[in-house]
Amino acid sequence: DIQMTQSPSSLSASVGDRVTITCRASQSISSNLNWYQQKPGKAPKVLIYSASSLQSGVPSRFSGSGSGTDFTLTISSLQPEDLATYYCQQSDSTPRTFGQGTKLEIK
Amino acid sequence: QLQLQESGPGLVKPSETLSLTCSVSGGSISSTSYYWGWIRQPPGKGLEWIGSIYYSGNTYYNPSLKSRVTISVDTSKNQFSLKLSSVTAADTAVYYCATYRSSEPFDYWGQGTLVTVSS
Repeated sequence: DIQMTQSPSSLSASVGDRVTITCRASQSISSNLNWYQQKPGKAPKVLIYSASSLQSGVPSRFSGSGSGTDFTLTISSLQPEDLATYYCQQSDSTPRTFGQGTKLEIK
Repeated sequence: QLQLQESGPGLVKPSETLSLTCSVSGGSISSTSYYWGWIRQPPGKGLEWIGSIYYSGNTYYNPSLKSRVTISVDTSKNQFSLKLSSVTAADTAVYYCATYRSSEPFDYWGQGTLVTVSS
């Protein structure tokens, strides 16, 4: 199985801050990496697919980069509604695996 | 726009079988484009892929659960189902059904249903 490791596991930032979350795969997954946002009590929602493609309807302050084993999700200017937990997920092989999540809090 | 909705008992006794159904609307479960899957999330924890099925009946299971999982599809009802046998308290979780295309993200999700394993 491909292990996905996210860091940090939690972070606190202020409105307007630039926020970066990283995800590392235990082996190369090319660009088959997706990012999700999950708000309390809700199903996850796709933000970024194929490492760097913005899902339709997602604000442009979200961006993704990376390939191979190292990936990054960036929020360019944090907004109050970005309070959520963020997960990376590899879609390169079965079993599909997720990172452990990064809980983002607003200062 | 696909819509998915989970249904099934919210309480299951230890050692029994958990059974859930996902009803699909806005598209056909016989579509050659989609895989249909189950994902779970224990309270306060992360996401775990359980398994998926293709319209042809081909199934793909998480090795950690494979011995206890069965996923099936009912094309006449536009539904797919999950059975998880010999459950314990560790199987208590919100169970989501979701869909994806090959090498793509889970782009449509159900709202999730909490299943508690308790006597």
